[in-house]
Amino acid sequence: QVQLVESGGGVVQPGRSLRLSCAASGFSFRTYHMHWVRQAPGKGLEWVTFISYDGSEEYYADSVKGRFTVSRDNSKNTLFLQMNSLRAEDTAVYYCAKAYSTYFDYWGQGTLVTVSS
Amino acid sequence: QSALTQPASVSGSPGQSITISCTGSSSDVDAYTSVSWYQQHPGKAPKLLISEVTNRPAGVPDRFSGSKSGRTASLTISGLQAEDEADYYCASYTTNRWLFGGGTNVTVL
Repeated sequence: QVQLVESGGGVVQPGRSLRLSCAASGFSFRTYHMHWVRQAPGKGLEWVTFISYDGSEEYYADSVKGRFTVSRDNSKNTLFLQMNSLRAEDTAVYYCAKAYSTYFDYWGQGTLVTVSS
Repeated sequence: QSALTQPASVSGSPGQSITISCTGSSSDVDAYTSVSWYQQHPGKAPKLLISEVTNRPAGVPDRFSGSKSGRTASLTISGLQAEDEADYYCASYTTNRWLFGGGTNVTVL
């Protein structure tokens, strides 16, 4: 069965960096596009970024463009999110999600990122 | 680009039917057959309920159904059950980005 397990969250000071990982199993990771979606405490879902199956295409929400970078290692079935210049408003649970066509068919359990001094 | 618009809350009694609306624009909901719906229980990850406006993945009860008319998509829950109490989100693809609705909290009275 499809499993997505995020890691790397924690408490970080404003302006600092953090790298999230998402370990995928149960499907052919190298043939599927992937997303990161976040959810601020008590708030709704916000799409963050997309990466194509081979890493050749990346799209970002305006709120993170220029600060966040998505990448993947298909040899290790792992998705990454490098987050730089973090702000208080980046505080959220970050989910990785498998893409199928234009929707998100499987989600991880999420990892919490707290940006605070 | 603004998020899609959903009512903040909807309620119904067990056995009743409820409908959640999701309003977008000519660039997203009206432009693509890419509206999807997700259910999220407290403290849990979202779960896919409906894909591409009307398609129900295996394992999702047939009392969940989706539709779309112009800029507004809808999720209908027929025969409401206690376990349907959750948050529901719509999503739509638009050019090189994805939009979510603000979420609707469903209460079973």
